[in-house]
This record gives sequence, structure tokens and C-alpha cells, in this order.
Amino acid sequence: DGGITQSPKYLFRKEGQNVTLSCEQNLNHDAMYWYRQDPGQGLRLIYYSQIVNDFQKGDIAEGYSVSREKKESFPLTVTSAQKNPTAFYLCASREARGRVNTGELFFGEGSRLTVL
Amino acid sequence: QQPVQSPQAVILREGEDAVINCSSSKALYSVHWYRQKHGEAPVFLMILLKGGEQKGHEKISASFNEKKQQSSLYLTASQLSYSGTYFCGTGGTGGFKTIFGAGTRLFVKA
Repeated sequence: DGGITQSPKYLFRKEGQNVTLSCEQNLNHDAMYWYRQDPGQGLRLIYYSQIVNDFQKGDIAEGYSVSREKKESFPLTVTSAQKNPTAFYLCASREARGRVNTGELFFGEGSRLTVL
Repeated sequence: QQPVQSPQAVILREGEDAVINCSSSKALYSVHWYRQKHGEAPVFLMILLKGGEQKGHEKISASFNEKKQQSSLYLTASQLSYSGTYFCGTGGTGGFKTIFGAGTRLFVKA
């Protein structure tokens, strides 16, 4: 079955540690996204990538980094510079049709990060 | 800039109707609607594009006023399964960003 797989589902980290969240998709989608979700604030865009080896900052990129070396993979690293990293992180992908976003987003099941 | 959703929350009885609104301060090319159950991933409901094209759910409808940069989601004859948080996502003409509103929490009771 095609879909998006995020891992780990739950992750605990000590302050000052970097952590990497995995996102893999087998939908053959060009565009991939990372969102952060906090209670009452909806989904906020961290980074997105339209094609391999290219990515753009979203609205809250500070303290995060990404890479896009393969079409199917878009890992997110939460660095120690992120002041309040405890949150629910969602990865998504969509087909890239032309220059505008006309396709639905397919989401993974999410990764819940807790900083102790 | 994040689109504004209203209301923030609504409680319905089964069979009642509801309208959720989404407005943006920026020119829009597309509006997306998703529903999220607690602890789960958002699920696609509807996408509306500039020019009138719509794709989506059979029992849920939506409108898109391009001039006013507003969209509304219409939930008719609500069912218990409609409970969840509804998000609108907006896309401009410049690329692939989809920016979401803060969400509307909907609770349907028997």
C-alpha cells in the first residue's frame, strides 16, 4: 500500500540533544512538507521541498534542519537551538503539478516529541 | 500569514448543520479542507481552486469566494463521525506552500 511512514511515533529527548525524525513516502510525490502542531495553533509549516536537493524554509524554520537527498525521504532534525521543541510533528507529501499547489496533502501518522 | 477560521468551536446534535469559515489576507489560488481526529493524521476533505474547480467529499460541500479570499465548509445533517478538528489550508499562486488555520473543533452529540 502506498503511503507516508513517520518514525519514531514517540520520542523523548533531553535538553541540548539533536534528534532526527524520519519521513518516507512511496507515493512517488515530488513535494514533501514538515508541519508542527501545538494545541490550539493548528499546523505550522517548518520546511518544504518541491524537488530532490532543494528545500525552502516555512514560517517556523529556526532551530530545525532538513535534507532531501532522495525523492522518497525528507528527514527533519530538531536541533538544540529549537527553544521549545515539544510538539506533534507531521510529514506530508503531494504531487507537484505545474507551479501551484492543486493536489491534496497526504499526511503521515505523526511523531510526538517530548523534551525532558 | 495564517488564515483565520471561525468559529473556534461548535457543538451540534446529530442531524444539525454547521458552517465553518476561513478567510485570508492574501490572494488565494486554492483552499483545502481537512479533518483531524484526536491523535491522528489530518484527512483530506475538499479542495477548491480559483476558477471554480472542486474536488472532494460526497457529503460535505464548500464554497470559495476568490474576491473576498474566503471559503466556507458546509456540514449538513451531521453525524457522530463528523466530530473532530477542521482545518483550512490556503495556497497562493507562487508555489507549493500550504498554510493552515488554527482549526475549528466540532463536536457532534447524539
